[in-house]
Amino acid sequence: KAGVTQTPRYLIKTRGQQVTLSCSPISGHRSVSWYQQTPGQGLQFLFEYFSETQRNKGNFPGRFSGRQFSNSRSEMNVSTLELGDSALYLCASSREGSGSNYGYTFGSGTRLTVV
Amino acid sequence: KNQVEQSPQSLIILEGKNCTLQCNYTVSPFSNLRWYKQDTGRGPVSLTIMTFSENTKSNGRYTATLDADTKQSSLHITASQLSDSASYICVVSAGDTGNQFYFGTGTSLTVIP
Repeated sequence: KAGVTQTPRYLIKTRGQQVTLSCSPISGHRSVSWYQQTPGQGLQFLFEYFSETQRNKGNFPGRFSGRQFSNSRSEMNVSTLELGDSALYLCASSREGSGSNYGYTFGSGTRLTVV
Repeated sequence: KNQVEQSPQSLIILEGKNCTLQCNYTVSPFSNLRWYKQDTGRGPVSLTIMTFSENTKSNGRYTATLDADTKQSSLHITASQLSDSASYICVVSAGDTGNQFYFGTGTSLTVIP
């Protein structure tokens, strides 16, 4: 059974650019959530999608957005990149997502460096 | 203020020894608590999920405890192995539908031979 796949693994962008990250969940999982991980702030929740609808959202500016497709694959977009956006972006999939006690399975992440 | 605090921040132990990591939270309403293990450069891997009514849950050499009254959880690792070297993150879900997540900053464990 394939795990959660995130692409690309590494990315270098320049300030002001925009970036799109991709996440393919485990087959049958309908929930995909995104997280930002930095050494200083730890793991922070960005948003969760369930059946193509954003179900939950963390405290991030509107530059961070996402979407989910009918096959449950999800993309996250960050516009007008800032140096502080440099982080490991993790995606996690779950059968039912928040509100359930099903586990979340994380991908290996996309390491974004903004220069 | 909803918070999750983990201690110690880092820990070094000898291979074969036991250790206990702590997670204290002030999150409410509590939904569930998860422990994750994150190897360097990898995504977190779930170890245990505990609900309000569960006191103890084991996953191999990992045993998590939860005291919902004192809002404390611990992760006990028995007979540590070099592969246990990782960050261990405590995540508390809150809200009536468990849709709010609060993360600890993790405990970095290093197991040395």
